[in-house]
Amino acid sequence: GQNIDQPTEMTATEGAIVQINCTYQTSGFNGLFWYQQHAGEAPTFLSYNVLDGLEEKGRFSSFLSRSKGYSYLLLKELQMKDSASYLCAVKSAGGFKTIFGAGTRLFVKA
Amino acid sequence: NAGVMQNPRHLVRRRGQEARLRCSPMKGHSHVYWYRQLPEEGLKFMVYLQKENIIDESGMPKERFSAEFPKEGPSILRIQQVVRGDSAAYFCASSPREQGNTEAFFGQGTRLTVV
Repeated sequence: GQNIDQPTEMTATEGAIVQINCTYQTSGFNGLFWYQQHAGEAPTFLSYNVLDGLEEKGRFSSFLSRSKGYSYLLLKELQMKDSASYLCAVKSAGGFKTIFGAGTRLFVKA
Repeated sequence: NAGVMQNPRHLVRRRGQEARLRCSPMKGHSHVYWYRQLPEEGLKFMVYLQKENIIDESGMPKERFSAEFPKEGPSILRIQQVVRGDSAAYFCASSPREQGNTEAFFGQGTRLTVV
């Protein structure tokens, strides 16, 4: 079967660092995406990893370990506007669909 | 360059009616994906289309649901004889080619409420 697990909710303080983990079990692997989704809005692309290692983009970084079926999204210098759901998504090899996790709701408090 | 446009943003239908959801992909994008999102849940893949072709409909319910992406005009997701369980947000995404390392751009979604 195909399964993507991520925590349901996390809370962090403004200015801090937070790490959102994602583990996956899919039939093949052709890349992992992270999306941000504010309530009632469209998901927006944050990052894409296909090789092991860390990809850094401003305040956001994403890490992938294919052997462990594991990824994390790291958010630095948290801002109130970072309060949103963060969706981990995996594209399985040989198929056309991207499988999404249920998302992690991040609450940033002052 | 306009983004992915979905309409209507909100749609209310009575049980048994038909719902038609429209998606105009970004200019230059010929690949369209439809997803359904229930409250507090992730996006569930429904169907992947290219112009005039359904490529992967493995996420579509076998009955009442259909999708098309004609040569001209928007992609349409059609739900016949809607039931309360169809109430959800339906998102469309587009990409210029098959979504390998290409990000898909999402529309604002259509929120369907069945009463």
